[in-house]
Amino acid sequence: NAGVTQTPKFRVLKTGQSMTLLCAQDMNHEYMYWYRQDPGMGLRLIHYSVGEGTTAKGEVPDGYNVSRLKKQNFLLGLESAAPSQTSVYFCASSYRDSVEAFFGQGTRLTVV
Amino acid sequence: GQSLEQPSEVTAVEGAIVQINCTYQTSGFYGLSWYQQHDGGAPTFLSYNALDGLEETGRFSSFLSRSDSYGYLLLQELQMKDSASYFCAVSDDKIIFGKGTRLHILP
Repeated sequence: NAGVTQTPKFRVLKTGQSMTLLCAQDMNHEYMYWYRQDPGMGLRLIHYSVGEGTTAKGEVPDGYNVSRLKKQNFLLGLESAAPSQTSVYFCASSYRDSVEAFFGQGTRLTVV
Repeated sequence: GQSLEQPSEVTAVEGAIVQINCTYQTSGFYGLSWYQQHDGGAPTFLSYNALDGLEETGRFSSFLSRSDSYGYLLLQELQMKDSASYFCAVSDDKIIFGKGTRLHILP
């Protein structure tokens, strides 16, 4: 049982480049989330999904897009990366009611 | 929207008891949860309170007062391995986290 898997683990981008972060979960969870973590800022919600085919904005959605075409996958896209998007990104999933979230190992992204 | 307040840092002595407080403001609320994160690692779930009162899980306990929009995490018999950041989080159809409390433990 792999839980929540994020791909890639590390990435360096140049300003203006695009990329997609992939999150996959094998627990049949309905809810999935993308967070970014910066020093002193805690975990801030970017986008989330309450089921296949649905997405919603979180606290800091600007500059990001997401898709949930399959229940087990949640993709986070950066269309034109900026240095302000340098961060550690975490994906998480949970059953309904958001009681307990299971996190992936994180993706460390640097935009230069 | 939602907002959560928790102390940025707390220091305690090994073997002692420490309490980390959390106050929240939210438009929707299912419950309050707590997560632990060690440096370089991912957050891991500790506890969840949907109703008022105390929930105990081993050395860790969590309390919720819905009327006061307040909760706390209580860690007993502190061990060096408890040195980590602790986050409170509120749940409705999403999970919103506080900025975290870094717990320093002195030998």
